[in-house]
Amino acid sequence: NAGVTQTPKFRILKIGQSMTLQCTQDMNHNYMYWYRQDPGMGLKLIYYSVGAGITDKGEVPNGYNVSRSTTEDFPLRLELAAPSQTSVYFCASSYSGTVSAEAFFGQGTRLTVV
Amino acid sequence: AQKVTQAQTEISVVEKEDVTLDCVYETRDTTYYLFWYKQPPSGELVFLIRRNSFDEQNEISGRYSWNFQKSTSSFNFTITASQVVDSAVYFCALSEFLSSGSARQLTFGSGTQLTVLP
Repeated sequence: NAGVTQTPKFRILKIGQSMTLQCTQDMNHNYMYWYRQDPGMGLKLIYYSVGAGITDKGEVPNGYNVSRSTTEDFPLRLELAAPSQTSVYFCASSYSGTVSAEAFFGQGTRLTVV
Repeated sequence: AQKVTQAQTEISVVEKEDVTLDCVYETRDTTYYLFWYKQPPSGELVFLIRRNSFDEQNEISGRYSWNFQKSTSSFNFTITASQVVDSAVYFCALSEFLSSGSARQLTFGSGTQLTVLP
């Protein structure tokens, strides 16, 4: 039961570098989400996808990009890393987009930008 | 806009004490769900319970119980006879449709760090 898998678990980036956070799920869920968790705060939605080829912005999308070429994968791209992007990033998926749907979360990627 | 407030930043209790985690939410929608998630030191988010806006029955699951009161917009979580393994950050979240209507958004509170001392 892999569920939602995120890689890497930890990463240190220098200002201005780029990287892709990988997220894959094996539950055949159409809905996938990226959240960030800043210290002492709740999670905030960055981007979401309702199916392959369809993505949309969440609450805090600036500085990020996403793609969804397959149902399983939903990578998050940081093009020019900034210290404000230091955070823990969570990928999640759900079987539907209804308000009742349980979201399954990955283990998180802890990113530090220095 | 929706908002979830967990006023208790940190709580420490001694093992076997009961502890209640508070959650207050704001929403204009009449149809919504509330969730509780647990984040242990390992970092993953573990689903605990969901409750819909039309169901105000309290729920008990083992040592866990939840009190949902729509009149006060609260969805509190009680752990009875706490154990060291309950030490974690607990998040309350409100689930509503995004403005696009195509999916839903979870709005999280800032979490309560619970420490259970032996």
